[in-house]
Amino acid sequence: QKEVEQNSGPLSVPEGAIASLNCTYSDRGSQSFFWYRQYSGKSPELIMFIYSNGDKEDGRFTAQLNKASQYVSLLIRDSQPSDSATYLCAAEKAAGNKLTFGGGTRVLVKP
Amino acid sequence: EPEVTQTPSHQVTQMGQEVILRCVPISNHLYFYWYRQILGQKVEFLVSFYNNEISEKSEIFDDQFSVERPDGSNFTLKIRSTKLEDSAMYFCASSEGTGPRELFFGSGTQLSVL
Repeated sequence: QKEVEQNSGPLSVPEGAIASLNCTYSDRGSQSFFWYRQYSGKSPELIMFIYSNGDKEDGRFTAQLNKASQYVSLLIRDSQPSDSATYLCAAEKAAGNKLTFGGGTRVLVKP
Repeated sequence: EPEVTQTPSHQVTQMGQEVILRCVPISNHLYFYWYRQILGQKVEFLVSFYNNEISEKSEIFDDQFSVERPDGSNFTLKIRSTKLEDSAMYFCASSEGTGPRELFFGSGTQLSVL
């Protein structure tokens, strides 16, 4: 079974620090990768996606992709208490196809 | 800002009953999806719909499930005979075009099967 794996956490970080989240995937056919944020009882909200090896930055967030290692990461800089949520990694094989989600990493940012 | 709307937000039903979950995707989107999330578990893909037909479905999406786009705006998920294990949050989602792009999720329908 093709899986996306994440450490469930919680990952506790002090306010202002960098939170580092990791994700691995087993299907080498996966092409695009997505990071979603999900607050408790709410729907997932897209933070960013990445499909090329290397880094992609968007504001306080940086996604990193290494297809050879089948590894995706998300860095959150200057973490705020409002960043406390579950972060979902998802993989997609081709445009329009399903997303396969990991179980999520719970992040707690402490003031 | 355009959004995916889902109704109802909560649905309680008895085991064996039929339920219909309703969604209005964003108007210019072409791809439509249903996902579900059992409490404390992963978001799981159920089905994708494009050009008025199912393009992909998961093992979960068995004969008890069906989808319809009856009128060009609504997108529905029907569960014919609900089971206890169907209790979950059901998310409708839509996206536009091709290439890596954002999947917009609705706020979900919490289905409780008693």
